[in-house]
Amino acid sequence: QSVLTQPPSVSGAPGQRVTISCTGSRSNIGAGYDVHWYQLLPGTAPKLLIYNNNNRPSGVPDRFSGSKSGTSASLAITGLQAEDEGDYFCQSYDSRLSGSLYVFGTGTKVTVL
Amino acid sequence: QITLKESGPTLVKPTQTLTLTCTFSGFSLTTRGVGVAWIRQPPGKALEWLALIYGDDHKVYRPSLESRLTFIKDTSKNQVVLTMTNMDPVDTGTYFCAHRQSDNDAFDVWDQGTMVTVSS
Repeated sequence: QSVLTQPPSVSGAPGQRVTISCTGSRSNIGAGYDVHWYQLLPGTAPKLLIYNNNNRPSGVPDRFSGSKSGTSASLAITGLQAEDEGDYFCQSYDSRLSGSLYVFGTGTKVTVL
Repeated sequence: QITLKESGPTLVKPTQTLTLTCTFSGFSLTTRGVGVAWIRQPPGKALEWLALIYGDDHKVYRPSLESRLTFIKDTSKNQVVLTMTNMDPVDTGTYFCAHRQSDNDAFDVWDQGTMVTVSS
C-alpha cells in the first residue's frame, strides 16, 4: 500500500555509517515534493529527524543527514550508536488523479550490531 | 513547547464508530498553514496518514477512507476530534495525532499514540 519503498532492514556496527533509501515516483518525490524522515523507537513518540530533504530540527544530532535526487531520497546515519536502533520512515506528498495525500515509506529497521 | 495528547478507547467492536480526541498546547490552530494530522500504524506495518485539519478549518482526508472519516476542531478547548465509522479488524493499530508546521509538509511533534484494537 505504501508508495514509497524502503529497504526492510539495515545494520551496522557502532561507529559505522548506514544509509536508508526511499524510492518514489513521478507523482511524489519526482514531482518535487519534499521528503521528511522520522525515527520510531518503542514506547516513544515518533521523532522528526529531517525535514525538507536535508534540514535537521533543533536538537537532532548532525550524525543524521538527508538528501534527495530525482525520484529518490536517502537518510544517512554516521557514527552509528546503540540508541539509534529503531524504525525509520520517509514521508512525502503524492498528487494523483484519484486524490492527493501524504505518503509514508514502507519503513526500515536499523539494527546496531 | 508544543505538546499533543490523545485520548480514546483502546477497544472497539466491529461496525462501531471510533472517536479519538487530540488535546494540544503550545500553538494556535487558527494560524494559516498550521495543522493537526491523524496517522496510524497497523501492527508491524508502515505509517498511514488519515486526515489533516488546517488552521483555516480546511480538511483533507485519505481518499480511500474519506467516506468513513470526520474531523472537527474546537479551538476554545484546543482539541481536534476524529471519528471513523464502521470499524473493522483491519483498522487495528496505533493512532497518532501530530502537529504540521506552517511552512512545510512535515509533522514535527507527535503524541505517543493510542493502540486501538477492533475485536468482538
